[in-house]
Amino acid sequence: GAGVSQSPRYKVAKRGQDVALRCDPISGHVSLFWYQQALGQGPEFLTYFQNEAQLDKSGLPSDRFFAERPEGSVSTLKIQRTQQEDSAVYLCASSLLWDQGNYGYTFGSGTRLTVV
Amino acid sequence: SQKIEQNSEALNIQEGKTATLTCNYTNYSPAYLQWYRQDPGRGPVFLLLIRENEKEKRKERLKVTFDTTLKQSLFHITASQPADSATYLCALAGNNRKLIWGLGTSLAVNP
Repeated sequence: GAGVSQSPRYKVAKRGQDVALRCDPISGHVSLFWYQQALGQGPEFLTYFQNEAQLDKSGLPSDRFFAERPEGSVSTLKIQRTQQEDSAVYLCASSLLWDQGNYGYTFGSGTRLTVV
Repeated sequence: SQKIEQNSEALNIQEGKTATLTCNYTNYSPAYLQWYRQDPGRGPVFLLLIRENEKEKRKERLKVTFDTTLKQSLFHITASQPADSATYLCALAGNNRKLIWGLGTSLAVNP
């Protein structure tokens, strides 16, 4: 597609519920990143994929967070047993090359997760 | 710990003037620095990247400088327009692929 697409745009979850957030990167983009952005803050790194390989998951805040990209295109971020502190905007970004170097990232509009 | 600071206060300027936004960092030696624009309810949009061995980069009305001695980047928008009103984020990267982000500076350009 023309841009990075994320769904759903908004998600309200009851505390303890599992959620799955989807990211469709730009076709052909090798690198895919997930970030978490709290209100009034900059994005915080969660995890990084190069094709289907998850090369860095050091930013995932707990073992309740899990991400996958099984075929090297669409990625899903799953949060199990959601807590109120998980409420944030989850941003997905992709880039053409493994080294996003001169090109920066292309971000989706994010999924706003609210845990009640 | 690594820290990035951007103008903490919102910036209000008059249309046509030059907006200057500041990004300072400590305890970090970035390979490059990026500037993004973010509008409410949207993801960040990439604007410019500058490498550690570059002093200045320009793109249309935008100019970025990078001083690794001062550990500072300045982002300029010349001939500002109300449509430039947004939050501007700086992000630094080392030799890995993670970006470390500032909190952003809110810019309002008044007609």
